Amino acid sequence: KAGVTQTPRYLIKTRGQQVTLSCSPISGHRSVSWYQQTPGQGLQFLFEYFSETQRNKGNFPGRFSGRQFSNSRSEMNVSTLELGDSALYLCASSLDSYQPQHFGDGTRLSIL
Amino acid sequence: AQSVTQLGSHVSVSEGALVLLRCNYSSSVPPYLFWYVQYPNQGLQLLLKYTSAATLVKGINGFEAEFKKSETSFHLTKPSAHMSDAAEYFCAVSDGQGAQKLVFGQGTRLTINP
Repeated sequence: KAGVTQTPRYLIKTRGQQVTLSCSPISGHRSVSWYQQTPGQGLQFLFEYFSETQRNKGNFPGRFSGRQFSNSRSEMNVSTLELGDSALYLCASSLDSYQPQHFGDGTRLSIL
Repeated sequence: AQSVTQLGSHVSVSEGALVLLRCNYSSSVPPYLFWYVQYPNQGLQLLLKYTSAATLVKGINGFEAEFKKSETSFHLTKPSAHMSDAAEYFCAVSDGQGAQKLVFGQGTRLTINP
């Protein structure tokens, strides 16, 4: 069974641009969550989607948004990029609300 | 909101020695608790999970953790460290209903000395 797939693995952008990250969950998983990992702030929850609906949201500005498609694939968008958005963005999927999350290898975003 | 404290950002042990990584959580209600491991340039791999079924939880790669409600702790142990255990370990607690929306500790980097 294929794991969580995130694309691209690496991305370089400049300040002010926007970016879209993609996540394909494990087959059959309906919940997809996104996390940001930085050396200073550690791992922080961004949001969770289930059946195309955002169910939980972390404390991030509105520049961070996401969506989930009918096939459970998810995208995360960050607009007006700032230097502080440089991070590893991790996607995780789970079968339902009560099962543990399985993580992808992440997208490393660097802002110049 | 939940919070997680991992005592010790770096732990170093000799190969074959006991591994003990400490985690304390803030909730008085037994939540969902997890330990994840992260190897360089990879995502998080689930080691084990506590979901109130048993206080001693066995995970992969010989790791286990004991849930102690009175101490709000969920420490991770392994009887005998192996070189391949060198990695960063994260304790996490669910914040809210279900096992999603995880709050992570700051992580503990485990080094194994030959």
